[in-house]
Amino acid sequence: DQQVKQNSPSLSVQEGRISILNCDYTNSMFDYFLWYKKYPAEGPTFLISISSIKDKNEDGRFTVFLNKSAKHLSLHIVPSQPGDSAVYFCAASDHSGNTPLVFGKGTRLSVIA
Amino acid sequence: KAGVTQTPRYLIKTRGQQVTLSCSPISGHRSVSWYQQTPGQGLQFLFEYFSETQRNKGNFPGRFSGRQFSNSRSEMNVSTLELGDSALYLCASSYTGAGGVDTQYFGPGTRLTVL
Repeated sequence: DQQVKQNSPSLSVQEGRISILNCDYTNSMFDYFLWYKKYPAEGPTFLISISSIKDKNEDGRFTVFLNKSAKHLSLHIVPSQPGDSAVYFCAASDHSGNTPLVFGKGTRLSVIA
Repeated sequence: KAGVTQTPRYLIKTRGQQVTLSCSPISGHRSVSWYQQTPGQGLQFLFEYFSETQRNKGNFPGRFSGRQFSNSRSEMNVSTLELGDSALYLCASSYTGAGGVDTQYFGPGTRLTVL
């Protein structure tokens, strides 16, 4: 049973436009969410996180939105750049740290120049 | 600060063999977690070690095992390899643990191919 779902395996966006990557979760115990970015032949790198006490967190071009009632979060990248082309993983956990991160299957973003 | 290192980077084995992968965490990090990544399956949690003790374990068969040494370096072992074990094995380290608000830092992974 997948607790964290990224339903779009891939996404193509033109350079300069907005990229929106979506993630849904089923476990209501999750209260901390992260996005990781992964380039080929490298390990995932942390991008941005959000706690369930917030509904938005922004870091430069990256903004994560959380809709707790819908158990849905999204990552917005504005403006998208070719260097953003990578696989993006959504992950969820709880603040206690007693359970490990649960990852989605990832969305491959391609930003076309 | 040096990042998480994993050795070897690439490995080819045949079915039935066993393999040992190594991970050196970031200096000062006491938690090391292992993940398996296969095409289209995301990152699946294998286990976490903290201060030489296994603290969490994922849903993998007993052929997958690990350990952590006093310097926080960790190894994972897969015995009796199967074709389905072909994957990218990722190690991640953090100060306090595999979950919660403590950011995990990943190594580049070991690409294991089982023939």
